[in-house]
Amino acid sequence: SYEVTQPPSVSVSPGQTASITCSGDNLGEKFSYWYQQKPGQSPVLVIYEDTKRPSGIPERFSGSSSGNTATLTISGTQAMDEADYYCQAWDSSLGVFGTGTKVTVL
Amino acid sequence: EVQLVESGGGLVQPGRSVRLACTASGFTLGDYTLSWVRQAPGKGLEWVGFLRRKGYGGTTEYAASVKGRFTVSRDDSKGIAYLQMNSQKTEDTAVYYCTRTVEGVLDYYMDVWGKGTTVTVSS
Repeated sequence: SYEVTQPPSVSVSPGQTASITCSGDNLGEKFSYWYQQKPGQSPVLVIYEDTKRPSGIPERFSGSSSGNTATLTISGTQAMDEADYYCQAWDSSLGVFGTGTKVTVL
Repeated sequence: EVQLVESGGGLVQPGRSVRLACTASGFTLGDYTLSWVRQAPGKGLEWVGFLRRKGYGGTTEYAASVKGRFTVSRDDSKGIAYLQMNSQKTEDTAVYYCTRTVEGVLDYYMDVWGKGTTVTVSS
């Protein structure tokens, strides 16, 4: 079955840039999606189709994809961005979530 | 306000069945595919399955871990979707989220999530 892998954790200082990677075979040939989940809350879509931002998501969130890796970038990271982030892709119409990355704002 | 509300969770014995419901408000459920995603305690997200809207064939897809045991259905006239879970296993213990799922350029994205309902499988 298809798998996508993320680093378990990323630490960033306030105001700096956080980059979260997601790797999978031929991931660049698929669209990647990113979800943010804060403790005790439901996930929220922050990026869809690699680079698109849903209405209401701050411009500091951006996405890119190339080769076998998709990347979520948070520019000017704020304390409120501390959360778990999950990438997600589809493989033959089956949904696959990444292992999740905990972003800590120090 | 666009909203999804799950219900039906609780304690269920291994081998038994339970049906979850997902009630939509603020939009027409029949215009969207509906997915279920679960999260075991302290673990990551796991896609469970979805039911496409009738305009996209009304067909279903399931994760290998639940295929043959779980069934997604819907009553668009009532704005309610269901997840029937049979032959429950302890590893099915999780928070279950329903999500509004949008057809994109190539596949789908989940743009609205409910708050989830907890299912605990234990004797």
